[in-house]
Amino acid sequence: QKEVEQNSGPLSVPEGAIASLNCTYSDRGSQSFFWYRQYSGKSPELIMFIYSNGDKEDGRFTAQLNKASQYVSLLIRDSQPSDSATYLCAVYFVRGDMRFGAGTRLTVKP
Amino acid sequence: NAGVTQTPKFQVLKTGQSMTLQCAQDMNHNSMYWYRQDPGMGLRLIYYSASEGTTDKGEVPNGYNVSRLNKREFSLRLESAAPSQTSVYFCASSVHRGESTDTQYFGPGTRLTVL
Repeated sequence: QKEVEQNSGPLSVPEGAIASLNCTYSDRGSQSFFWYRQYSGKSPELIMFIYSNGDKEDGRFTAQLNKASQYVSLLIRDSQPSDSATYLCAVYFVRGDMRFGAGTRLTVKP
Repeated sequence: NAGVTQTPKFQVLKTGQSMTLQCAQDMNHNSMYWYRQDPGMGLRLIYYSASEGTTDKGEVPNGYNVSRLNKREFSLRLESAAPSQTSVYFCASSVHRGESTDTQYFGPGTRLTVL
């Protein structure tokens, strides 16, 4: 059983739309959740993290966490072509290690 | 502040050859990590070093060895390269592994091909 699952995509949205990226995880005791963006051929870079149930906003990005459903999502408002990348969900498990999902590839079309 | 640096950027090996990937960080982080990234499989942890002087196996350690040379440097060695080790290798560092708020920062990666 995969511990962190993401739809591989590709997810395609038009410029200006809201992109919604989803992630589920298996460890009910997990406490912290991270979203990374990875451009093709580059390294992952942190977008934001969330620890508490509910929403956390940072500019055009909103992370949403529902621990009861073991679900975390990332919304990107007013999507731009420069947002086209692979988005990695990472979960900090109770045993102290971070596990990454395989990523969702997002394409924003002008 | 360079962050996390890795050398080399690209490498081609023949089966059976050995090599060492180098990683250094200048953020005074305690913990360092080596990952490999394969298409469709995301990032998988090979080895990590929670603090200077300690190293531990991750999810996929077979065929690799590591050395935490000092607080700044963490190297990954392939003793006898195999085609299955063709991958992109990322080094990362964080302030303190084990704390739920710990954030990992990644180097630029090494693209390794084993023929």
